[in-house]
Amino acid sequence: DIQMTQSPSSLSASLGDRVTITCRASQGINDFLVWFQQKPGKAPKSLIYAASSLQGGVPARFSGSGSGTDFTLTISSLQPEDFATYYCQQYNSYPFTFGGGTKVEIK
Amino acid sequence: QVQLVESGGGVVQPGRSLRLSCEASGFTFSNYAMHWVRQAPGKGLEWVAVISYDGTNKYYGDSVKGRFTISRDNSKNTMYLQMNGLRVDDTAVYYCARLIDYWGQGTLVTVSS
Repeated sequence: DIQMTQSPSSLSASLGDRVTITCRASQGINDFLVWFQQKPGKAPKSLIYAASSLQGGVPARFSGSGSGTDFTLTISSLQPEDFATYYCQQYNSYPFTFGGGTKVEIK
Repeated sequence: QVQLVESGGGVVQPGRSLRLSCEASGFTFSNYAMHWVRQAPGKGLEWVAVISYDGTNKYYGDSVKGRFTISRDNSKNTMYLQMNGLRVDDTAVYYCARLIDYWGQGTLVTVSS
């Protein structure tokens, strides 16, 4: 199975900060990676698919990059509604696997 | 608009069975593979199973293999998850999803004696 390692597991940031979350796959997954945002009590929401493609309706301050084993989610200027937990997931091969999550909190 | 609505969750004793349903609307259900994903209380996301668009191919996560069965009825725009031999650590919110884009709101399964 492909292991997905996310870092950091949590971070504190201020409004307007640039935030970067990384996700590393234990083997190459091409660009078959999706980033989700989840708020408490809510279903995950897809932000980025195919590593770097923005889902419709998602603000342009979110961006994704990477291919192979190393991937990054960047929030260019943190907004109040961005405080949440973020997960990466590979969909290159079964079983699909998620990273452990990154909780973004207010500093 | 795309909607995925899960149902069938509840409280069940260890060793018993439960069947979850996911009713889809707003898209051509029979064109898409569909997934179940779960989340234990306070924990991260765990992929459970997938079924191909026509139901011929199915894959499962290691923790549910041999106990859970995924199926679908394209005439009813509905996917199912038959869960047998439930364990306490199967307690979770179960989401159905098109995965890359649309998810339901989830149904809570609690396994407890």
